[in-house]
Amino acid sequence: EPEVTQTPSHQVTQMGQEVILRCVPISNHLYFYWYRQILGQKVEFLVSFYNNEISEKSEIFDDQFSVERPDGSNFTLKIRSTKLEDSAMYFCASSWSDIYEQYFGPGTRLTVT
Amino acid sequence: GENVEQHPSTLSVQEGDSAVIKCTYSDSASNYFPWYKQELGKGPQLIIDIRSNVGEKKDQRIAVTLNKTAKHFSLHITETQPEDSAVYFCAALNPAMDSNYQLIWGAGTKLIIKP
Repeated sequence: EPEVTQTPSHQVTQMGQEVILRCVPISNHLYFYWYRQILGQKVEFLVSFYNNEISEKSEIFDDQFSVERPDGSNFTLKIRSTKLEDSAMYFCASSWSDIYEQYFGPGTRLTVT
Repeated sequence: GENVEQHPSTLSVQEGDSAVIKCTYSDSASNYFPWYKQELGKGPQLIIDIRSNVGEKKDQRIAVTLNKTAKHFSLHITETQPEDSAVYFCAALNPAMDSNYQLIWGAGTKLIIKP
């Protein structure tokens, strides 16, 4: 069964450093998403991406964040200058049509020290 | 905007018994309600979903009911098994112009199945 994959599974970085989280969505999906989950808290929407552009972003997704689909298969989330409060699990998701039936990857645990 | 409340935060049931998790939502325009199961160290997995044009949907031991008037929806798991132990999240989607793609999530329910 096709699945969303994410790398790395765990990333440790120092405050102020740039990180890139990578995702490979399900191959025939057209809509891509990033979510984050701070330990013990709700899953929070960050951004959605369709047709090579951002469809929607939340208040969390400020100028420090960017997304890219560089090669038609990968979907990346970049945090330019990490802060301690960026420590969380980051989940990538994809869907075939509009916003229904989103399938999630296993997540990347980001630890900012 | 939409707000989703989920109860209980923890639910412990005996193996073989049923489990029910409830969610309420605030915006009557929401029209899609998925349920996700998250096992330790893994991403959320879609287990069942329901759209606002139906009141109930069932898939083997799992069922979801939706009451649009009361703005609540519930997950029912019958004949629970140890592998059902996980955190379950409900979510709602409001296709309003300013939030076309955002799933709004509940806080999660930790389901513990006692042997």
